[in-house]
Amino acid sequence: AQSVTQLDSHVSVSEGTPVLLRCNYSSSYSPSLFWYVQHPNKGLQLLLKYTSAATLVKGINGFEAEFKKSETSFHLTKPSAHMSDAAEYFCVVSGSSGTYKYIFGTGTRLKVLA
Amino acid sequence: DADVTQTPRNRITKTGKRIMLECSQTKGHDRMYWYRQDPGLGLRLIYYSFDVKDINKGEISDGYSVSRQAQAKFSLSLESAIPNQTALYFCATSGRGGDQDTQYFGPGTRLTVL
Repeated sequence: AQSVTQLDSHVSVSEGTPVLLRCNYSSSYSPSLFWYVQHPNKGLQLLLKYTSAATLVKGINGFEAEFKKSETSFHLTKPSAHMSDAAEYFCVVSGSSGTYKYIFGTGTRLKVLA
Repeated sequence: DADVTQTPRNRITKTGKRIMLECSQTKGHDRMYWYRQDPGLGLRLIYYSFDVKDINKGEISDGYSVSRQAQAKFSLSLESAIPNQTALYFCATSGRGGDQDTQYFGPGTRLTVL
């Protein structure tokens, strides 16, 4: 069975400071892992994905995530937060039995303070 | 134009009414999905379809039905709406080949059942 846990439901950072959004996963298979962002009243946009290539994955808007198999983690980071980063972020695991069904985390709402 | 569109974007209805949410895509993808989003729960899969003749239940299909009218169209129906079906509904698509594990989301339909 697969599952994903986002360790923080809310994160607040000041503009210009680093962002860390934490995600742990559980999977019996070699997982594909994703981060999506949802801005208010918008759909979900793919930030980045890991599919067993490089463990450090770079995404859009300066975000990156590192796949750590030993820690079963896929944390999302950004060196310097911008006001436009305020949104909800979802960690997703996929890859079960070739169905490519997604299992979503419960989301982390990022607030960026001026 | 958006690759994945959903209509309507907002809908308010009454308990017991039949509701249809529609999804269309121009990405040429075979696979389509319906999710609902509730605060604090992330997205949960209602139904998915890998081609026109292949429809599968997701984790929360009770009270919902779907129709895959064509490769590009996938509709979600609530036969008799109830208040706990108030949620944000998303359609998603995925293709084949190297990007087959990535889902692309529509803008969502906000449904309120009174």
